[in-house]
Amino acid sequence: DVKVTQSSRYLVKRTGEKVFLECVQDMDHENMFWYRQDPGLGLRLIYFSYDVKMKEKGDIPEGYSVSREKKERFSLILESASTNQTSMYLCASSSYNEQFFGPGTRLTVL
Amino acid sequence: RKEVEQDPGPFNVPEGATVAFNCTYSNSASQSFFWYRQDCRKEPKLLMSVYSSGNEDGRFTAQLNRASQYISLLIRDSKLSDSATYLCVVISGGYQKVTFGTGTKLQVIP
Repeated sequence: DVKVTQSSRYLVKRTGEKVFLECVQDMDHENMFWYRQDPGLGLRLIYFSYDVKMKEKGDIPEGYSVSREKKERFSLILESASTNQTSMYLCASSSYNEQFFGPGTRLTVL
Repeated sequence: RKEVEQDPGPFNVPEGATVAFNCTYSNSASQSFFWYRQDCRKEPKLLMSVYSSGNEDGRFTAQLNRASQYISLLIRDSKLSDSATYLCVVISGGYQKVTFGTGTKLQVIP
């Protein structure tokens, strides 16, 4: 079974803090994705990566950056957290079309 | 117009009923289509792919109408365990951009 893990299930941070969300997959997938999910807005793509050290902006990249130094690991970085970044963050990996999701990180920014 | 649109519901149906959801997409060049299922407080999981010729898996049937740019999901003989949010996913473009609909909530009632 594909396993996608995320570093935290719940996280509480203060406005202005730098936040790191880590995602690791164990199936040697080339593609990895970061989404946020908000009520009424669904899943929105923040960034994705098709290879090590490669990144592409999704629909809502503002306020976020990413890092993919190793194939199995894709990190999402909030340089200076703001209250409007309070959300559920979901990481996914895929080889072809099917996406496998991690359990999500619920981030609250106070 | 949103790239991918779904009726948010909720659809409240009795056990044993047949229910259908539609999902419209705006990019006529979209290449691949999927239905995902998301249970409350869980991550999305692939339910089925949608092919031009249609796709059936037990009580579930998915269809694609390219001319009218929508995909559909039909659930026959609804079970209580079918209660969930159903997300349509459209993949398009050279970079295989993934776009999720906001989801349709289904509640099957005893």
